[in-house]
Amino acid sequence: GQNIDQPTEMTATEGAIVQINCTYQTSGFNGLFWYQQHAGEAPTFLSYNVLDGLEEKGRFSSFLSRSKGYSYLLLKELQMKDSASYLCAAFLNYGQNFVFGPGTRLSVLP
Amino acid sequence: EPEVTQTPSHQVTQMGQEVILRCVPISNHLYFYWYRQILGQKVEFLVSFYNNEISEKSEIFDDQFSVERPDGSNFTLKIRSTKLEDSAMYFCASSEGTPANEQFFGPGTRLTVL
Repeated sequence: GQNIDQPTEMTATEGAIVQINCTYQTSGFNGLFWYQQHAGEAPTFLSYNVLDGLEEKGRFSSFLSRSKGYSYLLLKELQMKDSASYLCAAFLNYGQNFVFGPGTRLSVLP
Repeated sequence: EPEVTQTPSHQVTQMGQEVILRCVPISNHLYFYWYRQILGQKVEFLVSFYNNEISEKSEIFDDQFSVERPDGSNFTLKIRSTKLEDSAMYFCASSEGTPANEQFFGPGTRLTVL
C-alpha cells in the first residue's frame, strides 16, 4: 500500500530553525509536495520536489532523496505565524494520484 | 489575486439525501481536484478532472460520487446518498498545468450529515 509518515507534533522557539521530516513508501512516485495548513483553513502550497536535493525558497527549503524515500521541510527564522500543520504529499503517476501524510503540527513559542 | 471559491461554506443534510458542492476554479486553470478531510484526520484525494473528464480517482470515489463541469466556470461534486461517514471538509483545488504544478485550494465546504 501507499504510506507516508510524519511526526505528529513539534515545538520550536521564535527565531529558531526547525526541520520537519517525511518518509514515504509508495509505488509510481513522481514527486513530493509540502503544504502549510492553518487550523480551520485550506492547505497552501509551499514546494514541490521532483529531483534529489535541496530547493530553497525564502525562509523555507525542501529536500528530497528518492533513493531513501525521504524528504524534509526546513523552516528558518521561525515566526509565530508559522504555527500550523505541515503536510507532505506524494504525487503518484496513476490511480490514487496524491497520498497525504498525517501532517505535523508545529507550535512556535515566544 | 484570482482565487478558488466554494459554496456553500457549510452544508447540513440528512443521511440518504443528495448534496451538490460547488466550486469555481481559477479561470485559466485546466486541472481540477476534489479532496476531503475528516475532522482531525489527513487530507484525502478524491478525484482529478481534466478536459471534461475524470483523469484519476481514488478508492474513496465510488459510485456515490460524481463530478461535473456544467458550464465554463463551475466544477461540482455530487454525493448521491450521503452517509454519516461522509461528514468532512471538502476542498476543491485547481492548477494551471499538470497536477505536478502548484495547486490552489478553495476555502472548503464543511459537510455535516445527520
